[in-house]
Amino acid sequence: KQEVTQIPAALSVPEGENLVLNCSFTDSAIYNLQWFRQDPGKGLTSLLLIQSSQREQTSGRLNASLDKSSGRSTLYIAASQPGDSATYLCAVRPRGGSNYKLTFGKGTLLTVNP
Amino acid sequence: EAQVTQNPRYLITVTGKKLTVTCSQNMNHEYMSWYRQDPGLGLRQIYYSMNVEVTDKGDVPEGYKVSRKEKRNFPLILESPSPNQTSLYFCASSSGNRYSNQPQHFGDGTRLSIL
Repeated sequence: KQEVTQIPAALSVPEGENLVLNCSFTDSAIYNLQWFRQDPGKGLTSLLLIQSSQREQTSGRLNASLDKSSGRSTLYIAASQPGDSATYLCAVRPRGGSNYKLTFGKGTLLTVNP
Repeated sequence: EAQVTQNPRYLITVTGKKLTVTCSQNMNHEYMSWYRQDPGLGLRQIYYSMNVEVTDKGDVPEGYKVSRKEKRNFPLILESPSPNQTSLYFCASSSGNRYSNQPQHFGDGTRLSIL
């Protein structure tokens, strides 16, 4: 059974700092990995999707990496801003099967202080 | 604009009173799914649907029903809600193409409180 772990559970940083969020998964038979952002009372916004054959994806100040063999992904946020404060979730989609169910980690609550 | 729309966004109701949470997507996606999110447990899948009239159980289906009569809609039905179904619910959709690497899209969530 796939398990996804995110460390740390919470992180507080001053504005402008570069930071890394970590995600690990136990079963490397994944099709892709997706990073989401969740604001309080809001839905999940997809940030980046990395295919299993890729090593990284970039969007603006965000860079996500994937090391499938070791079961790890990181989300790097450059020059953090108070507006980046949110919960960040990673999720993996399994390879094969007819259910595209995402297995989620429990998230990292990020607070960026002005 | 591509979106997944859930209604209602918030609902407080009482035990045993049947309710339906609607979900609609405008992206012509074949695959749709329901999750619930609980503190300490994360997001867990309730039901999913690969296409019209094709549905199956996820990890926590007890107490829920779904239907998929039209491609765009995937309602979640609680026939006799109980307090342990108090949760934040999310609907998601994506292409049904097995080889698609398009992201899954999520609705804004429905917060249900069952008293």
